[in-house]
Amino acid sequence: AQSVTQLDSHVSVSEGTPVLLRCNYSSSYSPSLFWYVQHPNKGLQLLLKYTSAATLVKGINGFEAEFKKSETSFHLTKPSAHMSDAAEYFCVVRPTNFGNEKLTFGTGTRLTIIP
Amino acid sequence: DTAVSQTPKYLVTQMGNDKSIKCEQNLGHDTMYWYKQDSKKFLKIMFSYNNKELIINETVPNRFSPKSPDKAHLNLHINSLELGDSAVYFCASSQDPSGNEQFFGPGTRLTVL
Repeated sequence: AQSVTQLDSHVSVSEGTPVLLRCNYSSSYSPSLFWYVQHPNKGLQLLLKYTSAATLVKGINGFEAEFKKSETSFHLTKPSAHMSDAAEYFCVVRPTNFGNEKLTFGTGTRLTIIP
Repeated sequence: DTAVSQTPKYLVTQMGNDKSIKCEQNLGHDTMYWYKQDSKKFLKIMFSYNNKELIINETVPNRFSPKSPDKAHLNLHINSLELGDSAVYFCASSQDPSGNEQFFGPGTRLTVL
């Protein structure tokens, strides 16, 4: 079985300051990990994914995440927040790199950007 | 061009009614999904189809019946709607069942009164 825990339900940062959204996972197998973003009243969009290649993954809009197996973490970071980053962010785990294993979503972190 | 589209965007209906939500993708993907997002934003998969065949069927009441007439369409029919069915329903697609990158539709907000 797999699960994912997003440690903060709400994060507020000032525009121009760094963003850190935390995610821990558990999986019986080597996981694939994803971050999705959901802007208000929109569908989800893939930010980045880890599928057993480089542990530091770069995504769209300046976001990146680092897979740390020893810490079972996949935290999302961005050096400088922009107002357009305000959204809900979901950490997602899938237990294998192939096959049709389903995605398990975290409960989401709402990111607020203070002008 | 819209990659994954859903209709309707909003659906308000009475308990006990039957309703359908339609989904279409123009990405040429083989796999499509239905997710339910509750009021706390928790997202859970309901069904997945690959080339019109059901491959994931979570513990969902049998009042929910997906139908895939072709691999570009996955519709969701709900019978005897209940208050607890109120949620946002998202359709998604991916190139294959690995689901490495899923493209989501804009969602259908269903309100059951």
